[in-house]
Amino acid sequence: GAVVSQHPSRVICKSGTSVKIECRSLDFQATTMFWYRQFPKQSLMLMATSNEGSKATYEQGVEKDKFLINHASLTLSTLTVTSAHPEDSSFYICSARPMGQRLNTEAFFGQGTRLTVV
Amino acid sequence: AQSVTQPDIHITVSEGASLELRCNYSYGATPYLFWYVQSPGQGLQLLLKYFSGDTLVQGIKGFEAEFKRSQSSFNLRKPSVHWSDAAEYFCAVGIPEYGNKLVFGAGTILRVKS
Repeated sequence: GAVVSQHPSRVICKSGTSVKIECRSLDFQATTMFWYRQFPKQSLMLMATSNEGSKATYEQGVEKDKFLINHASLTLSTLTVTSAHPEDSSFYICSARPMGQRLNTEAFFGQGTRLTVV
Repeated sequence: AQSVTQPDIHITVSEGASLELRCNYSYGATPYLFWYVQSPGQGLQLLLKYFSGDTLVQGIKGFEAEFKRSQSSFNLRKPSVHWSDAAEYFCAVGIPEYGNKLVFGAGTILRVKS
């Protein structure tokens, strides 16, 4: 099956600093990638949809200036949490759908990144 | 608005017993439906999916799910649970008009008693 790799798997940063999370599709190209956030013991909430070569589409309530998404190539999307604060601590997961696939094709998930802001 | 309801937050079953996890959705058209499993601190693994056709869908690890349009349900079943099935299970609806973004249910944590 298709593989999506997230890096890092865990990161601890100081309050006020920025953190970048990478999402790579290893064996396929993806025009669309999705970023989710999961709070402890809660479900996944879609933050934004990232399309290669264009601006990301953010869900209501997600601060686009705080969560910067860049989808510069067909195999890489990045999420940068700017000026992180403890309340940004969460589990972030990306998913990617292979290019050229119909919309009913599954998107493949990365292993997630545990962000802790101290 | 689209929504997914998983009414059971926790379920405990004995090893070898049968399992059914409930999922109901709210969506105006025929949805794309998914079940994912997540082990602690890990990403999501797709168990099975329904797009069209046969309403009984077979997945990995011996799981199956049945789409019932009249009940707006997509319940996950397994005839005999193994201790390794202990995890959190998420039902999700894919929204085609929004690039098939997924709307997830709240999840059901499965505990398996030996």
